[in-house]
Amino acid sequence: EAQVTQNPRYLITVTGKKLTVTCSQNMNHEYMSWYRQDPGLGLRQIYYSMNVEVTDKGDVPEGYKVSRKEKRNFPLILESPSPNQTSLYFCASSFPRGQNYTFGSGTRLTVV
Amino acid sequence: KQEVTQIPAALSVPEGENLVLNCSFTDSAIYNLQWFRQDPGKGLTSLLLIQSSQREQTSGRLNASLDKSSGRSTLYIAASQPGDSATYLCATPGMAGGTSYGKLTFGQGTILTVHP
Repeated sequence: EAQVTQNPRYLITVTGKKLTVTCSQNMNHEYMSWYRQDPGLGLRQIYYSMNVEVTDKGDVPEGYKVSRKEKRNFPLILESPSPNQTSLYFCASSFPRGQNYTFGSGTRLTVV
Repeated sequence: KQEVTQIPAALSVPEGENLVLNCSFTDSAIYNLQWFRQDPGKGLTSLLLIQSSQREQTSGRLNASLDKSSGRSTLYIAASQPGDSATYLCATPGMAGGTSYGKLTFGQGTILTVHP
């Protein structure tokens, strides 16, 4: 089944403790991206990747890092999480770029 | 900068009604427009994708139309069912140089409740 898999689904952590949210797709898509969803603000793009080793900032990149060492994986890294990063996070992929996005099931992150 | 607006913000209807959800965008030079469904606390499920050259797309009880000149797309749901209750989002990817650079701009969504 074609899908985007995120892990974990739920995570509660403390301020400053580094964490990684994994994202993997099995569709050989070149384009991958991360979004966060917040009440009243909707979905906003954090980072995106056009292909392996090609990443760039989206609208709200502060406090996040990404890497794209393999085509299928696009992890989101929070080096020092803060409470304002409490949110619902989604990974998405598409091929070609801009067509038929597939989203993961989401990761609900709480930073206390 | 593209802005996407969805009206109404919430809609409650009895089962069996036909209904229309609206999506408007400020820049008519769109690449395509995609409709998604989101169940509470869950991911986004793609419903329909309309290319910029198309006028409409249909899937089962769903029909999406696109009018670029007026900056509008509508999602028509026929014979609504309680299982249709969810948030419906429209989104369009940004464009540069005639192609898409990938970032989706979303509307705020319409929360649909279909009661038995």
